[in-house]
Amino acid sequence: EVQLVESGGGLVKPGGSLRLSCAASGFSFSTYSMNWVRQAPGKGLEWVSYISSSSSYIYYADSVKGRFTISRDNAKNSLYLQMNSLRAEDTAVYYCVREVSPPYCSSTSCYIDYWGQGTLVTVSS
Amino acid sequence: DIQMTQSPSTLSASVGDRVTITCRASQSFTNWLAWYQQKPGKAPKLLIYKASSLESGVPSRFSGSGSETEFTLTITSLQPDDVGTYYCQQYDSYPRTFGQGTKVEIK
Repeated sequence: EVQLVESGGGLVKPGGSLRLSCAASGFSFSTYSMNWVRQAPGKGLEWVSYISSSSSYIYYADSVKGRFTISRDNAKNSLYLQMNSLRAEDTAVYYCVREVSPPYCSSTSCYIDYWGQGTLVTVSS
Repeated sequence: DIQMTQSPSTLSASVGDRVTITCRASQSFTNWLAWYQQKPGKAPKLLIYKASSLESGVPSRFSGSGSETEFTLTITSLQPDDVGTYYCQQYDSYPRTFGQGTKVEIK
């Protein structure tokens, strides 16, 4: 069974930092691309960042570029999101999500098939 | 960036009704579009991928269609368990973008 378990969320002051982790199990983590998606309270879904299976390709939403860093450790089956210079508008539930892999999608266009339960990040003074 | 616009924002229908949600894109793309269902307090769940392919285990009353800039999600016979918010998402290009969501309620 695929499991994605996020941790590391909490209350942080504006300008502060936080590191989110996602522990993956039930699948061959090193062969899948991963993403972070967030959802502000009462709002819709916002894609945050992508990392390919070998970390060769990384993308960010403009809203977090230069402040957030995505990384992974395939030996530990773990995905990370380092968040610096946090702002009130970063307050959200952060989901760790898996993308399917080819041949179930194209090499550049793969959909999200599994979501973690999310971890809440609150940025407030 | 490809902007995704869903309509309606809220939908109230009776059990057994046919329900349709529309997702319009600001520019045309291949059918790399997914639909997700989110129940209150839960993570989203994949329903449809590649615009019209039904994810394994999803009831057959859900279907997707469309291409280029207009896509639809249809529930042929609304059930109480279908209450929630539905999102479309394009995965044609980065940044990946979601529609703003359609909240489905039972009348």
